[in-house]
Amino acid sequence: GENVEQHPSTLSVQEGDSAVIKCTYSDSASNYFPWYKQELGKRPQLIIDIRSNVGEKKDQRIAVTLNKTAKHFSLHITETQPEDSAVYFCAASGGDYKLSFGAGTTVTVRA
Amino acid sequence: GAGVSQTPSNKVTEKGKYVELRCDPISGHTALYWYRQSLGQGPEFLIYFQGTGAADDSGLPNDRFFAVRPEGSVSTLKIQRTERGDSAVYLCASSLAPGQGYEQYFGPGTRLTVT
Repeated sequence: GENVEQHPSTLSVQEGDSAVIKCTYSDSASNYFPWYKQELGKRPQLIIDIRSNVGEKKDQRIAVTLNKTAKHFSLHITETQPEDSAVYFCAASGGDYKLSFGAGTTVTVRA
Repeated sequence: GAGVSQTPSNKVTEKGKYVELRCDPISGHTALYWYRQSLGQGPEFLIYFQGTGAADDSGLPNDRFFAVRPEGSVSTLKIQRTERGDSAVYLCASSLAPGQGYEQYFGPGTRLTVT
């Protein structure tokens, strides 16, 4: 099955700086890569996703890049704000219903 | 509109007992998923329903776990003879249809603690 690895496990950034989270996956058939944000005690919420026919996607301060050859994808958050503090999960799917998640990155934005 | 809801929000049970966890998906969503999230980990797939049928139950850890969705809407995850290792947050998600074109919306989860 699919194996998704995520780094770093924790990330502390100064408010206004950028944060980058990287994920690798093992199944070359995977072609859908969503990112979820989970605040403490809350449900995971989709913040952005990318499909294999696109190399980069941006939504305001959030961007995701995908390198299918290297089988890795990254989340970039620019101009971080305190409300960006949360746990972020990457996931991969082979075009079906089953999401395989990374272990998560705890992001702390220091004011 | 209303999102995915799960009940109870917390469940404490003794080892060996039987528990049922309920999921109410978003109205009109035909696909329903159960995941389990252990502390400090990402959600792990358990089972997927398309309509009333379990299309894929390959993630269920063993035969103590079972899930139903008799009318294609509400789903119940059932755990028999609970063990301490079953302690986790059980998340339910639903999507309009299966496949990558449809976002999976998660519920708030049921935190199960087996003492």
